[in-house]
Amino acid sequence: AQSVTQPDIHITVSEGASLELRCNYSYGATPYLFWYVQSPGQGLQLLLKYFSGDTLVQGIKGFEAEFKRSQSSFNLRKPSVHWSDAAEYFCAVGGNAGGTSYGKLTFGQGTILTVHP
Amino acid sequence: SQTIHQWPATLVQPVGSPLSLECTVEGTSNPNLYWYRQAAGRGLQLLFYSVGIGQISSEVPQNLSASRPQDRQFILSSKKLLLSDSGFYLCAWTDLRGRGSYEQYFGPGTRLTVT
Repeated sequence: AQSVTQPDIHITVSEGASLELRCNYSYGATPYLFWYVQSPGQGLQLLLKYFSGDTLVQGIKGFEAEFKRSQSSFNLRKPSVHWSDAAEYFCAVGGNAGGTSYGKLTFGQGTILTVHP
Repeated sequence: SQTIHQWPATLVQPVGSPLSLECTVEGTSNPNLYWYRQAAGRGLQLLFYSVGIGQISSEVPQNLSASRPQDRQFILSSKKLLLSDSGFYLCAWTDLRGRGSYEQYFGPGTRLTVT
């Protein structure tokens, strides 16, 4: 069965500092990987995705993530955090849409990001 | 462009009362649809998914049910709410037709409090 682990429940950084949020996945085949962001009381917004090709993917709001198959990781990074980045971040893994996957995603428990001025 | 709506935005219901949450998608056809529940600090739990009209799959046994009466409409229901049904309910859709990546797009959510 597929699973996602986000080891850090809560991370605090200062505005302007760099950020890395960790994500480790378990999946038996080539995974599709996603990062989402959620502001309080809102739905989830897709930040970026990986499904093939270049292992370093760029997303919206200046975020990037690197797929490392050997480490089963897909960590999210941002070189300089802004106060508006404070939110909860979710990593997700899915398989191909064929067969019995039906496009289902498995989400990690989330990492809450606090940004200090 | 595609848009996904959920209503109501918030709901307070007594234990034992019925529930109906609605989700509609615009700007696409034959999407896969999903219902998630998000409890505080516990991530997203997939409740139901649907690959077409009238086709519902349940991921976890529970007090809830889902229906898809139209292509772009997905309804979450309960006959008698429990306290444990409280949470934030999210609807999502994806289009699996040959685009290669299957990201899901989420609605704004419904906050349900059972008292």
